[in-house]
Amino acid sequence: ETGVTQSPTHLIKTRGQQVTLRCSSQSGHNTVSWYQQALGQGPQFIFQYYREEENGRGNFPPRFSGLQFPNYSSELNVNALELDDSALYLCASSPRGGGADTQYFGPGTRLTVL
Amino acid sequence: GEDVEQSLFLSVREGDSSVINCTYTDSSSTYLYWYKQEPGAGLQLLTYIFSNMDMKQDQRLTVLLNKKDKHLSLRIADTQTGDSAIYFCAESSGNTGKLIFGQGTTLQVKP
Repeated sequence: ETGVTQSPTHLIKTRGQQVTLRCSSQSGHNTVSWYQQALGQGPQFIFQYYREEENGRGNFPPRFSGLQFPNYSSELNVNALELDDSALYLCASSPRGGGADTQYFGPGTRLTVL
Repeated sequence: GEDVEQSLFLSVREGDSSVINCTYTDSSSTYLYWYKQEPGAGLQLLTYIFSNMDMKQDQRLTVLLNKKDKHLSLRIADTQTGDSAIYFCAESSGNTGKLIFGQGTTLQVKP
């Protein structure tokens, strides 16, 4: 059974640029959630996708957007990058969607904005 | 409001028990989780407890839940140097699948 995978591992961008991060969910999982983890902090919920629809969003501006594909993989897009967007971006998948469902995390993408 | 709090640091000797504590505010949380994060890595699910339970044991791990006080703890028996990591407590919130994390407790295990 393949776990959650993310790409790329590391990424360096400059302020104002756009970035796309990718996530493949664990086999059999139809729900993907994205989190931002700043250095020294706990992860913060960005949004969740369930069956290709957004199913909840945290306190992040609209320049953070996402997609989920029919194979349940997902993308996180961030436009107009700011220095504060530098963080570890974590993707998690869960088997059924909705609340109270255990989430399994990938290794993360480390984004640095200069 | 939604908030999860943890102490930031714990140091123990190898072979001792470790107890990591967490308090949360959302009384409607259905599940509470413990995740482990090693340097430069993602989060590894250690264990979870359903909100209508007060204890769960899984090998060296024991989770205690006091729902009245909104207090969760993780006990690691016979702590090993490989247990050194950051431990996050998280609560599930509503029907969105959103997890709310604490700031993490750094566990240092001395040989």
